[in-house]
This record gives sequence, structure tokens and C-alpha cells, in this order.
Amino acid sequence: DAGVIQSPRHEVTEMGQEVTLRCKPISGHNSLFWYRQTMMRGLELLIYFNNNVPIDDSGMPEDRFSAKMPNASFSTLKIQPSEPRDSAVYFCASSLAPQETQYFGPGTRLLVL
Amino acid sequence: SQQGEEDPQALSIQEGENATMNCSYKTSINNLQWYRQNSGRGLVHLILIRSNEREKHSGRLRVTLDTSKKSSSLLITASRAADTASYFCASSTGGGNKLTFGTGTQLKVEL
Repeated sequence: DAGVIQSPRHEVTEMGQEVTLRCKPISGHNSLFWYRQTMMRGLELLIYFNNNVPIDDSGMPEDRFSAKMPNASFSTLKIQPSEPRDSAVYFCASSLAPQETQYFGPGTRLLVL
Repeated sequence: SQQGEEDPQALSIQEGENATMNCSYKTSINNLQWYRQNSGRGLVHLILIRSNEREKHSGRLRVTLDTSKKSSSLLITASRAADTASYFCASSTGGGNKLTFGTGTQLKVEL
């Protein structure tokens, strides 16, 4: 299995631009998670889906962030407009069920100038 | 405070020594998991221990769970420089809820 695939691996953009991060979970996994990691705040859960349905988005910082999962093999996390404080590493993870072992992607390192 | 908190925040040891990291949580759990993160990489699952288990082994790793104290420990025996990483505990509460990750312990194993 290829594992969780994220793209792009690195993204540098200017403040105000739209950023779209992509994730392909492991085939057969029913749960998908988006995390953000910074030195200051550590690892934060932004949102998670179960069977393509958003279950908990309480970690989404504000309306500038949105996430979708149109099908079982693809999810996006969008930031519009981006701000410098959004600079972080964004991880996608998937699992068979929300409480089971999570498999993390390599992350997208985002830098907003 | 967080559901899972690791202790210590940072640990530095010599190669060959054992490393012990602790995790405390606040509410009843379904299972508790340990993950490792190498610098610049995603988290990698190490071991899962369910609430009805007290101890689990995987290679040089030993995890214990004390539900009465709401705590878990991860022991890495005969550490190697390659074990240098951050280690996170993550707890799952009942009802199929998501995992809640702790703040992590940074382990440095020196030659």
C-alpha cells in the first residue's frame, strides 16, 4: 500500500492567496483527519471525517478554513485567504475507525509570506 | 489541560540506556496509543494498548497502562541514536470518539 498521500509537499504563497492541500487516504480506511503542527501550538486536530461526512470541525481556526471529502479516496483542506500565521505543517491521517490506529501522510509544509 | 500529557517534555540519554516516558490522561479511555515523529516527518504508530490490557511489548518497546491512575508509560530499552525523535501518546475515549494527542516528549539519544 502506498500509504497516505499528500500534495503538495511544500507550498510557499503570499498573504491573501488561496491555498489548497490535498490528501488521498489509505484505501479501505473510513476515517480521515486533518492536523496542523507548529512549534508554538503543537499538533492540533482541525477536522475529521467518518465515511466522508465531517464529524468534528471544532478545531478549524476560522471561516477562512474549509475542508471537503467528496469521496472515500480524496479530501481537500482550503485556506482562503491565507495569512502568515497559517504557516505550519499540515498533516492528513487516515484510519479504519476514529479511535483506531492512525496512519499519517508526510505532511505539507506551508509558508505564507 | 489536555487529555494526554507527556512527561518529561524532553529527555536526553546515552546510547544503550533505557528511556521511559509517561503519559497521563483525564477521562476514561477506550485505548491508548503511542506514536513517534522524526524531525520533519509524519507521526508513525508504535503500539496500541486497550483499556483492558495492562502491558504490551513490541520489540524494544514496552507499554504499560494503569487505568486506576489514568497513566501510561513507554519504555524503550537499549536505546539507539536512531530512536531520537518526539514521542506522543494519544487516547481514545469511549463512544468511538477521535484520538486526542498529547504534547509529546522529545527524546535525544547521544552516542
